[in-house]
Amino acid sequence: TQLLEQSPQFLSIQEGENLTVYCNSSSVFSSLQWYRQEPGEGPVLLVTVVTGGEVKKLKRLTFQFGDARKDSSLHITAAQPGDTGLYLCAGKQGGKLIFGQGTELSVKP
Amino acid sequence: KAGVTQTPRYLIKTRGQQVTLSCSPISGHRSVSWYQQTPGQGLQFLFEYFSETQRNKGNFPGRFSGRQFSNSRSEMNVSTLELGDSALYLCASSLWDRVYYEQYFGPGTRLTVT
Repeated sequence: TQLLEQSPQFLSIQEGENLTVYCNSSSVFSSLQWYRQEPGEGPVLLVTVVTGGEVKKLKRLTFQFGDARKDSSLHITAAQPGDTGLYLCAGKQGGKLIFGQGTELSVKP
Repeated sequence: KAGVTQTPRYLIKTRGQQVTLSCSPISGHRSVSWYQQTPGQGLQFLFEYFSETQRNKGNFPGRFSGRQFSNSRSEMNVSTLELGDSALYLCASSLWDRVYYEQYFGPGTRLTVT
């Protein structure tokens, strides 16, 4: 059983479309992080959300932490081919960082 | 500031052999974590070292081991390799922070066991 469930697992969209990726858990996290990974590379940290209800924006990316600190979402506005990659959410549990299975995003020009 | 470096980037080994992977963290980072990434299981935590001490360990067999040196550089070792050990092994360094715990990853070592 995955502690962090991400949905959808795969997403293929056209350039210019909007999308939302979800990260859900039955556990409370003190913080959640989002990473993006390109093929052949390690994940790159995008953002950390800490406070329940917090919203953070990074250009066209909007991250939200649920009020109960059990879930998070990543919304991309007007997706571009450069947004293609594996998006991972992660939270700390039991002293270690737990990752969701990831959402594979493909943005076609 | 230089990022996390891992060597080698690619490795091909035979079943039964052992392998050692190396990781140099970002300067000033004293925590180093190792992860295994496979298509089926995703990213799984192997272990974390801080100031040369193993602080946390994931659910992997004893064939997987690691260590950290006084300069924070870390190595992980896998003995008696199995086909299922084929994976991308990622190292990440971080500043010790209870809340943020942000990880900065290296490019990984792609291990293929034949």
